[in-house]
Amino acid sequence: DIVMTQSPDSLAVSLGERATINCKSSQSVLYSSNNKNYLAWYQQKAGQPPKLLFYWASTRESGVPDRFSGSGSGTDFTLTISSLQVEDVAVYYCQQYYSTPHSFGQGTKLEIK
Amino acid sequence: QVQLVESGGGVVQPGGSLRLSCAASGFSFSSFGMHWVRQAPGKGLEWVSFIRYDESYKYYADSVKGRFTISRDTSKNTLYLQLDSLTAEDTAVYYCAKAHQYTFPDYWGQGTLVTVSS
Repeated sequence: DIVMTQSPDSLAVSLGERATINCKSSQSVLYSSNNKNYLAWYQQKAGQPPKLLFYWASTRESGVPDRFSGSGSGTDFTLTISSLQVEDVAVYYCQQYYSTPHSFGQGTKLEIK
Repeated sequence: QVQLVESGGGVVQPGGSLRLSCAASGFSFSSFGMHWVRQAPGKGLEWVSFIRYDESYKYYADSVKGRFTISRDTSKNTLYLQLDSLTAEDTAVYYCAKAHQYTFPDYWGQGTLVTVSS
């Protein structure tokens, strides 16, 4: 099974500053036949279900603000918020869909400093 | 627009059973796989199960294998999760989620709470 590990577990960033969340998989989620990373990012606000932000590690879902970006390949991935807004307070999860079980990272709680 | 509405949660005793339902609308239910994902109180997301659009494949997390059964009824646009031999560790909000063509969850329901307690 692929284990997903996020860092840090929690993060406090000032409004307007950059927030960076890391996700590491225990084995590569890059599928060589199509050169795609089977990695998604989700945002979960308090009391709400998760919302898809990115798939293929860096393809932004429709409607997601462009201050959000996803990057990385193989086993190391990053979610970046370039200028933190109040509405970005949430827990963020990465998930691999390369193989079952489709494991999630433990989550990173993002707060305002 | 895609809508997923879970139901069937509640309080059940250890060793008991429950069947969760997820009513889907706003998309061609018969064309997409579906997931169940759960979240224990104050904890992270745990993927539980996936069923392919044609029911040809069903996958389960090791933690529920042999106890939970995923199924779907295309005529009713409804996804199910049968939960048997429940333990306190199964206490969680259970979300159903539509799968994108490439299997990751792209739309989620609001969830239904299952509490296993005596």
